[in-house]
Amino acid sequence: DIHMTQSPSSLSASVGDRVTITCRASQDISGWLAWYQQKPGKAPKSLIYAASSLESGVPSRFSGSGSGTDFTLTIASLQPEDFATYFCQQYHTYPLTFGGGTKVEIK
Amino acid sequence: EVQLVQSGAEVKKPGESLKISCQGSGYTLTTYWIAWVRQMPGKGLEWMGIIYPDDSDTRYSPSFEGQVIITADKSTNTAYLQWSSLKASDTAMYYCARHRSSSSPDASDFWGQGTMVTVSS
Repeated sequence: DIHMTQSPSSLSASVGDRVTITCRASQDISGWLAWYQQKPGKAPKSLIYAASSLESGVPSRFSGSGSGTDFTLTIASLQPEDFATYFCQQYHTYPLTFGGGTKVEIK
Repeated sequence: EVQLVQSGAEVKKPGESLKISCQGSGYTLTTYWIAWVRQMPGKGLEWMGIIYPDDSDTRYSPSFEGQVIITADKSTNTAYLQWSSLKASDTAMYYCARHRSSSSPDASDFWGQGTMVTVSS
């Protein structure tokens, strides 16, 4: 299985901060990476696919980059509604696998 | 509007069987892969497997193969996840999610609201 490692596992940030979350794959997955946002008690929401393509309706302050084994999710200016847990997922090879998650908390 | 509507919460005893559902609307379920994802209390997301409802082609994560069965009913636009003998360790929230296209594998774009399964004696 391809192992996905996210860092940090949690972070504290203020509204307006620029936030970057990293996801590393244990082998080359080209650009087959997605990012999801999950708020407490809610289902995950799809944010980004193909490493950098925004899902319809996702604010432009979210961006993704990377290829191969190293990827990042950036929130350009953190908003109150962005406090949540973020997961990366590789879909290069079965079984699909998720990173462990990054919890973004209010400082 | 694309929606995936899952069946309601379940409370079961160890050893009991269970089948939960995920009904798609606003699109033709048969032409998109449907995945099942487990989230144990306070934990991350685990990909369990997927099904292509049109021909019931199914793939499982090795971690879940033999533990669950994924099926689909084209006539009702519904995918299912079932257990023949539940264990306490099956207590979790289960989500279905649609893949973005008929390609496999792919990312998910729409998610169900989740079904909480509690297994306790």
